[in-house]
Amino acid sequence: KQEVTQIPAALSVPEGENLVLNCSFTDSAIYNLQWFRQDPGKGLTSLLLIQSSQREQTSGRLNASLDKSSGRSTLYIAASQPGDSATYLCAVGTDSWGKFQFGAGTQVVVTP
Amino acid sequence: GAVVSQHPSRVICKSGTSVKIECRSLDFQATTMFWYRQFPKQSLMLMATSNEGSKATYEQGVEKDKFLINHASLTLSTLTVTSAHPEDSSFYICSARGGGASGLTDTQYFGPGTRLTVL
Repeated sequence: KQEVTQIPAALSVPEGENLVLNCSFTDSAIYNLQWFRQDPGKGLTSLLLIQSSQREQTSGRLNASLDKSSGRSTLYIAASQPGDSATYLCAVGTDSWGKFQFGAGTQVVVTP
Repeated sequence: GAVVSQHPSRVICKSGTSVKIECRSLDFQATTMFWYRQFPKQSLMLMATSNEGSKATYEQGVEKDKFLINHASLTLSTLTVTSAHPEDSSFYICSARGGGASGLTDTQYFGPGTRLTVL
């Protein structure tokens, strides 16, 4: 069974610093990988989707890399802002039907 | 972008009652919908996969008779928690995946979640 781990569980940085969030998975046979943001008591907002054939995806200040062979993905957030404070979830797509295995998330606090 | 809604956003009920949660894809047809539950400070756990017009597929350990899922149309799936108990209190989130003519594939769109509290 696919297991997804996110380290660290929590992270606090001053505004302006770059954020590096890590996600690892045990089975390299993935369909895709998606990063989400979750605000307290809210649903999920999709940030980036990386197909299994891709190495990275970029959107604005966000960049996500994927290394299937080592079972890792990293989400980079450049020049963090207080509005980036949230929990970031990594989800590994396990089949073409859309099933995801989620990590436990990294709770990020960006202090002004 | 694609929008998924859930209703209600919050519900409090007495132990033993049944609660229905709706998940709607507002601007696209969702061939597949998923139901997750999330405990405080924990990740989302997939409960079941719902395909329009067919029976839901439940994950191991999820009671089919307790969590009834109906996907009656391409835009609506419902989760009914039957005979709810305090341990069923959780945050329930649905997601919808487009397909076919919708042009939306792979990316899942998540609803805002429903907070269920069973007293």
